[in-house]
Amino acid sequence: QKEVEQNSGPLSVPEGAIASLNCTYSDRGSQSFFWYRQYSGKSPELIMSIYSNGDKEDGRFTAQLNKASQYVSLLIRDSQPSDSATYLCAVNKGYSTLTFGKGTMLLVSP
Amino acid sequence: EADIYQTPRYLVIGTGKKITLECSQTMGHDKMYWYQQDPGMELHLIHYSYGVNSTEKGDLSSESTVSRIRTEHFPLTLESARPSHTSQYLCASSPLAGATDTQYFGPGTRLTVL
Repeated sequence: QKEVEQNSGPLSVPEGAIASLNCTYSDRGSQSFFWYRQYSGKSPELIMSIYSNGDKEDGRFTAQLNKASQYVSLLIRDSQPSDSATYLCAVNKGYSTLTFGKGTMLLVSP
Repeated sequence: EADIYQTPRYLVIGTGKKITLECSQTMGHDKMYWYQQDPGMELHLIHYSYGVNSTEKGDLSSESTVSRIRTEHFPLTLESARPSHTSQYLCASSPLAGATDTQYFGPGTRLTVL
């Protein structure tokens, strides 16, 4: 089992819809969870971090964490074509290192 | 938010050459990281540092070496480049205190070894 698993996609949604991206992780001791956005050929850009069970909202983005189920998700409301990118889930491993998933490609069509 | 710089942004080099990829950050972050990423693949941690004179190997076996003589500078060196080293190399940094583990990435260096 991979340490951080994501569906590679692509996930296709129409403009204005809600995009739901999911991630599962294997280490029950993980405490820090991150979502990064990566445009093709560019470096990852931090979108959100979440540390406690529940929801965390920032603008159009909502991160959801369920440590019992080892599951973290990212919801993007009112999706825009500019949101089309690969979304990486990252989970802390030990002290100060992160393990990244392979990413889910999101395509938002106008 | 961190300001992280990587040079060169693109490098095409022949087999057997020694190369150094530069990474600098201006935020005073103690922790710095090097990742390797192939197209469509996940990031693999190859080296990291907790601070000056601290270097650790990551999960991915690598023929590269790093040094951390100054807080702001974390160069990565390949003594003898091979075609298998062709990849994107990403540098990141993270503060020691505050929002721990949050990493901020530089723009990356795309390396091609012929």
